[in-house]
Amino acid sequence: NAGVTQTPKFQVLKTGQSMTLQCAQDMNHNSMYWYRQDPGMGLRLIYYSASEGTTDKGEVPNGYNVSRLNKREFSLRLESAAPSQTSVYFCASRNAGGHSYNEQFFGPGTRLTVL
Amino acid sequence: GDSVTQMEGPVTLSEEAFLTINCTYTATGYPSLFWYVQYPGEGLQLLLKATKADDKGSNKGFEATYRKETTSFHLEKGSVQVSDSAVYFCALSPFGGSEKLVFGKGTKLTVNP
Repeated sequence: NAGVTQTPKFQVLKTGQSMTLQCAQDMNHNSMYWYRQDPGMGLRLIYYSASEGTTDKGEVPNGYNVSRLNKREFSLRLESAAPSQTSVYFCASRNAGGHSYNEQFFGPGTRLTVL
Repeated sequence: GDSVTQMEGPVTLSEEAFLTINCTYTATGYPSLFWYVQYPGEGLQLLLKATKADDKGSNKGFEATYRKETTSFHLEKGSVQVSDSAVYFCALSPFGGSEKLVFGKGTKLTVNP
C-alpha cells in the first residue's frame, strides 16, 4: 500500500496563478483532510471531508476550494494564488468509524512558493 | 475551545541524554491524545497515542502517560539517538468522535553525537 500520496512535491507559482494539489489514499478511509504548515504555527486545518460527497471548512479556508472526487481522492485548489499561501501543504486520511482515537495518516507534503 | 500547548523549542541534546517534551491540553470530557513525529522533509507520522486517563502510550523507546488530573501528556525517552532528531507534535482528538485533530505548534529536537 502506498498510503497517502500527494502531487506535486514542489511548486512555484506567480501571484494570481491557479493550481490544484492532488491527494489520494489507498486505505479505504472515509475521512480526508488538508492542512498547511507554517513556521511557528504548527498545522492548521484548511478543509476536510468526512465522507465522499461532503466537505467542510476548517480553521483557515479562505482562498481555497476542495473537491472530494471519490472515496480515494481529495483535491485542493488555489484559484488566485497569493504570497501568503506560500506554505507546506499536507493531506491526511483517517478511518473514522466514529472512533476519535483513530489516527490520521499523512502524505509527504507539497512545498508551494508563491512569488 | 480545545487547545494544546507544548514546550517551545528548539531543544538540543547530546546522544544518550534524557528527553522530556511537555504537553498540556484544554478540552472537555476525555479527548484522545497523540504524539506525532515529523522527520526532515517528510510528513507527520504517529509516534504513540492514549485514549483514556492513565493510559501509557509507547513506541520506539518513547513514552507518554495520559494524566487527566494535570491535563498533560508529556513525551519522554530515556536515551535519545541522533536519528531522533525531528519535530514532535502533541495533538488531541476531542471527545465524542470529532473529525478534527487539534495540534500543538511543534517542538524541534536536535540530537548531537
